[in-house]
Amino acid sequence: EAQVTQNPRYLITVTGKKLTVTCSQNMNHEYMSWYRQDPGLGLRQIYYSMNVEVTDKGDVPEGYKVSRKEKRNFPLILESPSPNQTSLYFCASSFGLGTGWGYTFGSGTRLTVV
Amino acid sequence: KQEVTQIPAALSVPEGENLVLNCSFTDSAIYNLQWFRQDPGKGLTSLLLIQSSQREQTSGRLNASLDKSSGRSTLYIAASQPGDSATYLCAVKDRDDKIIFGKGTRLHILP
Repeated sequence: EAQVTQNPRYLITVTGKKLTVTCSQNMNHEYMSWYRQDPGLGLRQIYYSMNVEVTDKGDVPEGYKVSRKEKRNFPLILESPSPNQTSLYFCASSFGLGTGWGYTFGSGTRLTVV
Repeated sequence: KQEVTQIPAALSVPEGENLVLNCSFTDSAIYNLQWFRQDPGKGLTSLLLIQSSQREQTSGRLNASLDKSSGRSTLYIAASQPGDSATYLCAVKDRDDKIIFGKGTRLHILP
């Protein structure tokens, strides 16, 4: 089944403890992206990647890191999480840029930082 | 800067009614527009994707239209059911390959 898989689905952590949220897609998509969703603010893009070893900042990149060493994986790293990073996170992927392809989303990761 | 607006933010309708959800965008230079459904605390499920060259797409009881020149899209749901209760999001992919979301319309179908 074509899908975007995120892990974990739920995570509670303490301030300052490094964590990684994984994202993997099995559709050979070039483009991958991370979003956070907060009440009243909607979905905001954190980082995106146009292909392997190519990443760029979205609208709210502060406090996050990403890497794209393989085409299928795009992990989101929080080096020192803070309570304002408590949110619902989504990974998404799509075929190449400049095309009419739509996006496929993962099921989300609910992160709570205490 | 592209902005996507969905009005109303919330909508309640009796079961069985036909309904229309609205999405507007400020810049008509888009590659496509996509409608998603999101259940509470869950991921986004793609419902319909309309290319910039298309006027509408249909899937079952759903029909989405696109009028690029006026910057509008509508999602029509026929014969609504309680299971249609969810938040519906529209998103446009602009010419910079960026996807911009509206904040969604929260739909409640009354049994």
